Amino acid sequence: DQQVKQNSPSLSVQEGRISILNCDYTNSMFDYFLWYKKYPAEGPTFLISISSIKDKNEDGRFTVFLNKSAKHLSLHIVPSQPGDSAVYFCAPMRALGAGNKLTFGGGTRVLVKP
Amino acid sequence: DTGVSQNPRHKITKRGQNVTFRCDPISEHNRLYWYRQTLGQGPEFLTYFQNEAQLEKSRLLSDRFSAERPKGSFSTLEIQRTEQGDSAMYLCASSVGQDNSPLHFGNGTRLTVT
Repeated sequence: DQQVKQNSPSLSVQEGRISILNCDYTNSMFDYFLWYKKYPAEGPTFLISISSIKDKNEDGRFTVFLNKSAKHLSLHIVPSQPGDSAVYFCAPMRALGAGNKLTFGGGTRVLVKP
Repeated sequence: DTGVSQNPRHKITKRGQNVTFRCDPISEHNRLYWYRQTLGQGPEFLTYFQNEAQLEKSRLLSDRFSAERPKGSFSTLEIQRTEQGDSAMYLCASSVGQDNSPLHFGNGTRLTVT
């Protein structure tokens, strides 16, 4: 049972343009949503998050949107830079009384071309 | 902040041997998590500790797997009688014991069972 799906395994974008990564989930108990970025041979690094009571959170070039009714979230990166080339994971969390356990999607590999 | 440290970085073992991995979390983090990641997949939850107490174990954690965190600081993950299917990246993460706090991951231990 795949609770978190990232349906685009890869994405290629030109430097300076927008990257849009999508994530769908099924578990309505998730109450916090995180995005992680992963470079080869390194562990995932926390990027940005959003609470289930919000629909948008912005941090510099990164913005996450949450549509709870559709059980869908997206990550926008603008403008994209070559250093953004990495694998991005959507990772919802059950926090309240559930130990902050993360459930990861399968990841989207982003390639930003100079 | 020295980050989460995992040792060894790589381990090659023969089928049937036992292996043990170590994780040193960020100091002051009282929660510690183990995840496993196979090629092309997102990390999958294995188990987590609050201080020295192991609070949850995934059904992925078979009888051959055991994790400990004896003094609430570092943790070890042991796999007995390794199988080829155990080949994966084993990731450790830690967090402060507050709801919605992100997990901070180490760079993982890559296990190859031949």
